[in-house]
Amino acid sequence: AQSVTQLGSHVSVSEGALVLLRCNYSSSVPPYLFWYVQYPNQGLQLLLKYTTGATLVKGINGFEAEFKKSETSFHLTKPSAHMSDAAEYFCAVSDFWGDTGNQFYFGTGTSLTVIP
Amino acid sequence: DTGVSQDPRHKITKRGQNVTFRCDPISEHNRLYWYRQTLGQGPEFLTYFQNEAQLEKSRLLSDRFSAERPKGSFSTLEIQRTEQGDSAMYLCASSLGLAQYNEQFFGPGTRLTVL
Repeated sequence: AQSVTQLGSHVSVSEGALVLLRCNYSSSVPPYLFWYVQYPNQGLQLLLKYTTGATLVKGINGFEAEFKKSETSFHLTKPSAHMSDAAEYFCAVSDFWGDTGNQFYFGTGTSLTVIP
Repeated sequence: DTGVSQDPRHKITKRGQNVTFRCDPISEHNRLYWYRQTLGQGPEFLTYFQNEAQLEKSRLLSDRFSAERPKGSFSTLEIQRTEQGDSAMYLCASSLGLAQYNEQFFGPGTRLTVL
């Protein structure tokens, strides 16, 4: 089975500072990797995903992530934090059962606080 | 496209009671998933439907839990004889297609509190 580790359950950054949220995964096969964001009282929303091809993936709201196979990492970054980025962020890896479907394994999440 | 909806958004029940949650996926999405999320944790997979067929169930899904997706449209998740440990957010997601990397679209969740 796959697993995901998110280092740092809480991250605080100043507005305008770099955001770095860490995600490491374990997978016996080439993974499909995702970052989701969850705002209070809302469902999870996809930020970006890596399937194949270019290892630097750009997502919504200025976020991007780089797949590093040698480090089994998929860290999420944003050059300049905005107050609206304050939310819970989840990294996920997709496992699959042949042709019958796929299951997402989520990390425990990182709560991002943006300080004015 | 109004997104994935879930009903109710909140449910408070007494231990031992039965509860049922409903999920309406995005129309034409053939795959539907149930997850459970407890405080400080990420969503944990419970079960999955492809159209009306329930194809996978997690070990987390005890005999007290049952899920259905009649006619491959909406889905219900029932918990019988609720226990305090069942208190959690229950999330529903749907996706379209057969690829393993297809995005799952999540609903807002149903928060269950068992007293």
